[in-house]
Amino acid sequence: GAVVSQHPSWVICKSGTSVKIECRSLDFQATTMFWYRQFPKQSLMLMATSNEGSKATYEQGVEKDKFLINHASLTLSTLTVTSAHPEDSSFYICSAVGQGYGYTFGSGTRLTVV
Amino acid sequence: QKEVEQNSGPLSVPEGAIASLNCTYSDRGSQSFFWYRQYSGKSPELIMSIYSNGDKEDGRFTAQLNKASQYVSLLIRDSQPSDSATYLCAVNHGGGSNYKLTFGKGTLLTVNP
Repeated sequence: GAVVSQHPSWVICKSGTSVKIECRSLDFQATTMFWYRQFPKQSLMLMATSNEGSKATYEQGVEKDKFLINHASLTLSTLTVTSAHPEDSSFYICSAVGQGYGYTFGSGTRLTVV
Repeated sequence: QKEVEQNSGPLSVPEGAIASLNCTYSDRGSQSFFWYRQYSGKSPELIMSIYSNGDKEDGRFTAQLNKASQYVSLLIRDSQPSDSATYLCAVNHGGGSNYKLTFGKGTLLTVNP
């Protein structure tokens, strides 16, 4: 089956620093990738949608200059949280869609900003 | 605003019983419906997908869709303690290349041994 690898699985960073999260589709080409954020006891909230080779589309209220998304190839998308602050601490999950492949989620990244 | 509503629970059932999870959605044009299971601290995993009215069965799981009532449900037969998790209902509103999903807040299910 389709596999999406996401790493790191957890990261602790200092306030003000930047963190990069990678999401790779291992056995299919991901034409579209989604980035979600999930706070404790809440549902997944879509942050942005990225299509290979084009700029990401951000959901309302998500700062595109703070959450930088790059989808440079059909197998890799990255989310960079710039100048992270404690309120950015959350569970970040990517999901990929490809031709003939439905939504496949990565394993998630637990970000803690101290 | 496209919304997906679920009872937050918690829903508690004894081992071996049937667990019934419900979901309603606001966008009548929605086309695809999914049930995901999420264990604490883990990412969601797909349980069932359903696209047309009626029932769809897969092992102990049955998804039911009623587009006229904008309602989708998931039945889990012979519930096991390992089924204890949060169940997320997700809806895809568009067709073509619009793959965006809207998730409900999830229902926490506890199966008691």
